[in-house]
Amino acid sequence: KAGVTQTPRYLIKTRGQQVTLSCSPISGHRSVSWYQQTPGQGLQFLFEYFSETQRNKGNFPGRFSGRQFSNSRSEMNVSTLELGDSALYLCASSLVTGGFPDEQFFGPGTRLTVL
Amino acid sequence: SQQGEEDPQALSIQEGENATMNCSYKTSINNLQWYRQNSGRGLVHLILIRSNEREKHSGRLRVTLDTSKKSSSLLITASRAADTASYFCATDTYSGAGSYQLTFGKGTKLSVIP
Repeated sequence: KAGVTQTPRYLIKTRGQQVTLSCSPISGHRSVSWYQQTPGQGLQFLFEYFSETQRNKGNFPGRFSGRQFSNSRSEMNVSTLELGDSALYLCASSLVTGGFPDEQFFGPGTRLTVL
Repeated sequence: SQQGEEDPQALSIQEGENATMNCSYKTSINNLQWYRQNSGRGLVHLILIRSNEREKHSGRLRVTLDTSKKSSSLLITASRAADTASYFCATDTYSGAGSYQLTFGKGTKLSVIP
């Protein structure tokens, strides 16, 4: 089975621009979660999508948004980029076997640099 | 805010030695997971331990969970240079409306010296 893929792997943007990151989950996984990782704040949960619906949202401003398509692929968008948005953005997919977070399969991440 | 906090923040050992990392958390959990991350890459799931379990093994890994102390430990036996990575614990955090999210600690950076 192919793993979680994320595109692009690296991205350089300037302040004020917007960016869209893409994630393809493992086949059969309907839950996709996004995380932001920075040296200062560590791994922080952005949001989770399940069957095209946002099921959970972390404590991030509205500039961060996402969506999930019928094939479970997901995108996240960050508008009006700020320097502090520079981070590794990780996507993870999982089977949903119960109400609690199960084993997450992570993609390699997208390294976003905002200049 | 972080639910889990790993200790120590960094650990350096010789190849062949055992490595122990600890995780403490604040609120009750349903399960706790451990992940490994090699420098700047995606995370790899190691073990999931449920709140009604006390110990779990997987190869050279041993995880314990003490819900009364709200703590868990990850033991890597007979470490290898390839075990050099950051290790994170993650707990489920209730986020309202009957749903949960995974909350990660800041990790322990393990260096295994050949």
